[in-house]
Amino acid sequence: AQSVSQHNHHVILSEAASLELGCNYSYGGTVNLFWYVQYPGQHLQLLLKYFSGDPLVKGIKGFEAEFIKSKFSFNLRKPSVQWSDTAEYFCAVNAPSGGSYIPTFGRGTSLIVHP
Amino acid sequence: GAGVSQTPSNKVTEKGKYVELRCDPISGHTALYWYRQSLGQGPEFLIYFQGTGAADDSGLPNDRFFAVRPEGSVSTLKIQRTERGDSAVYLCASSLTGGLAGEKGQYFGPGTRLTVL
Repeated sequence: AQSVSQHNHHVILSEAASLELGCNYSYGGTVNLFWYVQYPGQHLQLLLKYFSGDPLVKGIKGFEAEFIKSKFSFNLRKPSVQWSDTAEYFCAVNAPSGGSYIPTFGRGTSLIVHP
Repeated sequence: GAGVSQTPSNKVTEKGKYVELRCDPISGHTALYWYRQSLGQGPEFLIYFQGTGAADDSGLPNDRFFAVRPEGSVSTLKIQRTERGDSAVYLCASSLTGGLAGEKGQYFGPGTRLTVL
């Protein structure tokens, strides 16, 4: 079965610090990769996605992620975080499972940014 | 009103009772997903609809769980003989086409928080 690992469960940063959240997945074939964010009291929403092409993808609010196929990784980065980035971040992989493509989510990383 | 909506937002029930959770996807989205999210965990896939049919129900934990989407839009997740372990937030998401080639990311609803006493 497909698995997605997010290494950091809780991250605490000060404003302007750089951020990198790790995500690794287990499927060796073609996948679609996503990062979702859930701000306090809000729905899950898409932050960025990778389908093909340039392995460095840019999303909303200055976030980016790099797909490294050889490492089965899709780490999320932001050079300078803001207090408003405080949220839960989920990595997700869309891969074949039982004949269809379904998303598998990591357990999430809670990010707290201190002003 | 362009987003995914779910009702009720909260549901408290007693062990052994039957519950129905409703999801209204974004108009025109053919793919609809149900997830269950427990505290401190990511969404756990339950079932995926493509149109009216369940394309993949491999995530349903047992036969107490069932979902329908009779007209290819609104979906209902049904849980029979609820157990305390069913307590979680049940999320619904929709996407335009679903599948690997068409998946562009999902739009999530606010969820239904189910508490089984």
